[in-house]
Amino acid sequence: QKEVEQDPGPLSVPEGAIVSLNCTYSNSAFQYFMWYRQYSRKGPELLMYTYSSGNKEDGRFTAQVDKSSKYISLFIRDSQPSDSATYLCAMSDGGTSYGKLTFGQGTILTVHP
Amino acid sequence: DTGVSQDPRHKITKRGQNVTFRCDPISEHNRLYWYRQTLGQGPEFLTYFQNEAQLEKSRLLSDRFSAERPKGSFSTLEIQRTEQGDSAMYLCASSDNRVSPQFFGPGTRLTVL
Repeated sequence: QKEVEQDPGPLSVPEGAIVSLNCTYSNSAFQYFMWYRQYSRKGPELLMYTYSSGNKEDGRFTAQVDKSSKYISLFIRDSQPSDSATYLCAMSDGGTSYGKLTFGQGTILTVHP
Repeated sequence: DTGVSQDPRHKITKRGQNVTFRCDPISEHNRLYWYRQTLGQGPEFLTYFQNEAQLEKSRLLSDRFSAERPKGSFSTLEIQRTEQGDSAMYLCASSDNRVSPQFFGPGTRLTVL
């Protein structure tokens, strides 16, 4: 079983919809949680970065972390066609592993006009 | 552009040939990571440098792979005697400390024929 599990989708929604993306993990040492967006044949682009449990909001994006359930989410409000991409969750324990990231497999999102 | 850069962006080679990729991190970042991403999967950690010291290597990094970071600036990743299974996107990321987010370059896409 992988350390980080992410529903690969694909997910298709109409423009303006609220999108929910989720990851579960098994390593309780993870403390730093990230969401990256990756367009086709490009490198991952950092969207959100959170530490420990709680919520963080940035514009149309909200990241939630529930360490007790080992579950993280990314919500996208008022989704736009330009949000169509692969979304990757990533996490790190920040310490003993030198900050290396463990990724989910990515969720492919398509927002259609 | 002060982001992470990688060169070349694409490389096609024949099985058995050697290839070398270069990564230039964000200038003030002393931490540099290499990841490999295959189609439909999230990136997987390969190796980590802090300044010029290579401090961690994944078991994915076989003896045919070698990475360097002379003078703690740019890094190179060399693959000797390439195999078709080496075909992937090779991503470089940098950060300025163990708890800071990592910023990724555009990647080098390797195709081994």
